[in-house]
Amino acid sequence: DAGITQSPRHKVTETGTPVTLRCHQTENHRYMYWYRQDPGHGLRLIHYSYGVKDTDKGEVSDGYSVSRSKTEDFLLTLESATSSQTSVYFCAISRVGDSPLHFGNGTRLTVT
Amino acid sequence: AQTVTQSQPEMSVQEAETVTLSCTYDTSESNYYLFWYKQPPSRQMILVIRQEAYKQQNATENRFSVNFQKAAKSFSLKISDSQLGDTAMYFCAFMKPSLLQGGSEKLVFGKGTKLTVNP
Repeated sequence: DAGITQSPRHKVTETGTPVTLRCHQTENHRYMYWYRQDPGHGLRLIHYSYGVKDTDKGEVSDGYSVSRSKTEDFLLTLESATSSQTSVYFCAISRVGDSPLHFGNGTRLTVT
Repeated sequence: AQTVTQSQPEMSVQEAETVTLSCTYDTSESNYYLFWYKQPPSRQMILVIRQEAYKQQNATENRFSVNFQKAAKSFSLKISDSQLGDTAMYFCAFMKPSLLQGGSEKLVFGKGTKLTVNP
């Protein structure tokens, strides 16, 4: 593994509750990404970060926010979870913008 | 916007045989990167192989090789001597280079091909 830890590994939550997923890296890489994986859709980018406090939206950012106060941590928050946000969430990192991404092991989130 | 298409949702192959997974993409860029990622049942995403569009030579990593046809916008993955451990979802992905030094472009994925290697 490329030194990426996602927590929690699994989570079940109720509709309307806020949820925060954490990605922690030990590689000191500049770039961090959040993707979601759904059957029939592959992986789709939610948000990404190109430095501390520098973030931008991806393809499916509605209903999600992110924060990066330290190089090693990238948080994904579902402000008010909905059933459509049931998914597997992957964090990824890259050393420079054109480098291949290295992925964490994913968080399976179920919203009931 | 770039799109990546994997036209084979599922494939199967016998152990020790060769299989080819298809991927096509749509872009107006002349320089870019292409990747194949493997996702076994453990859910981990593993980089299999990478190809730079400016390189004419096809990338190879042990039993994995690609057939990159730039004009046809095709990027297929060949797995030789298939092993049971090759059973996984395989994702093709596209990235264009950043226009800014130190910038980042996003990885765009296809929907995946589920490969099963049978004993």
